[in-house]
Amino acid sequence: SQQGEEDPQALSIQEGENATMNCSYKTSINNLQWYRQNSGRGLVHLILIRSNEREKHSGRLRVTLDTSKKSSSLLITASRAADTASYFCDTDGSNDYKLSFGAGTTVTVRA
Amino acid sequence: KAGVTQTPRYLIKTRGQQVTLSCSPISGHRSVSWYQQTPGQGLQFLFEYFSETQRNKGNFPGRFSGRQFSNSRSEMNVSTLELGDSALYLCASSFSRENSPLHFGNGTRLTVT
Repeated sequence: SQQGEEDPQALSIQEGENATMNCSYKTSINNLQWYRQNSGRGLVHLILIRSNEREKHSGRLRVTLDTSKKSSSLLITASRAADTASYFCDTDGSNDYKLSFGAGTTVTVRA
Repeated sequence: KAGVTQTPRYLIKTRGQQVTLSCSPISGHRSVSWYQQTPGQGLQFLFEYFSETQRNKGNFPGRFSGRQFSNSRSEMNVSTLELGDSALYLCASSFSRENSPLHFGNGTRLTVT
């Protein structure tokens, strides 16, 4: 069954720096989505990238998708304290999305 | 547009009891998915309902069950609670589970003592 797996597990950066995290998955997909979760709250949808897209931007977020390597990256530029959160990728392709979320990358932005 | 509403926000139960959690999806959304989140296991898929039918189920014991009503509101039930059921239970709705973003509620924090 397919699953998004985020890497690294944790990331600590200084405010103003960029943060990059990766997601790998096992099978072919239709879409890949990134979510953010602040402590103890629900996930918030950030961006969706379709399998025929290679790059997408939304504000300070940049997502790339490499279907040949079955991987995606999320770049947060000019990080702020409010970016401190866990980030998850979610894939959908086949009908088996039972394990679609990975364990997430926890990002800490230091002031 | 109102977001996904989960009630209650916090719940404390004792072992052996049962619990029912509620989720009201965004208006017009017909798919509702449930997830269990724990520090050790991460985000685990429980089940997904679409138009009152369970379409997919994760690898959880039969103590975990759910249903969806005609207005798309969903409930999940956990019977014979165990200490390991302590978790944040998240509900997410979407127009259709495939190809559309999930909109999450803020979850129900269940503590089993």
